[in-house]
Amino acid sequence: NAGVTQTPKFQVLKTGQSMTLQCAQDMNHEYMSWYRQDPGMGLRLIHYSVGAGITDQGEVPNGYNVSRSTTEDFPLRLLSAAPSQTSVYFCASSYFLRAASGANVLTFGAGSRLTVL
Amino acid sequence: AQTVTQSQPEMSVQEAETVTLSCTYDTSESDYYLFWYKQPPSRQMILVIRQEAYKQQNATENRFSVNFQKAAKSFSLKISDSQLGDAAMYFCAYRSGGNYGGSQGNLIFGKGTKLSVKP
Repeated sequence: NAGVTQTPKFQVLKTGQSMTLQCAQDMNHEYMSWYRQDPGMGLRLIHYSVGAGITDQGEVPNGYNVSRSTTEDFPLRLLSAAPSQTSVYFCASSYFLRAASGANVLTFGAGSRLTVL
Repeated sequence: AQTVTQSQPEMSVQEAETVTLSCTYDTSESDYYLFWYKQPPSRQMILVIRQEAYKQQNATENRFSVNFQKAAKSFSLKISDSQLGDAAMYFCAYRSGGNYGGSQGNLIFGKGTKLSVKP
């Protein structure tokens, strides 16, 4: 059971370049999300999804696109990278159940460090 | 909107001693969950402990326990018998328990407290 897998772990981009951060989970979780972590800011939600074909914006969505064509995958796209997007990115997933509190615990990927020059 | 505040950017504790990390939150909801996550230098986010708002009993996981004060909207983490491996960033997080069309899956994080453990 691999859990949540993020690739790549490290990436350096030049301003204006595009790239995709991959996220895959093998736990059949309905809910998936992307967070960014910046020093002194905690983790902030970028986008989330509650199932295939359904996505929505979080707190800091500007400059990022997502799609959810399958239950397993939730890629994060940077169309034109900017230095302000230098950050550590986390993908996280969970079951989407109200009843069982234990089932609602988020499982995080290992993170992807992105540097935009 | 809900907010989570961690007022201690850094804390230090002597090995084998006890330390308490503070967290306060603001919400108008009555149904929610609270979490403490640990992030060691490896960057991995590790769930330490969770608390359901409807439960009056404070959650405990081995050396980790919480003091949940619902009326005061306070959720502090106590680490007993501190170990060198406890050194990490600790994040307090809030998650709605209500049915808001999907957003209840989202976590709202505090800015974190960096804990150092002195040998």
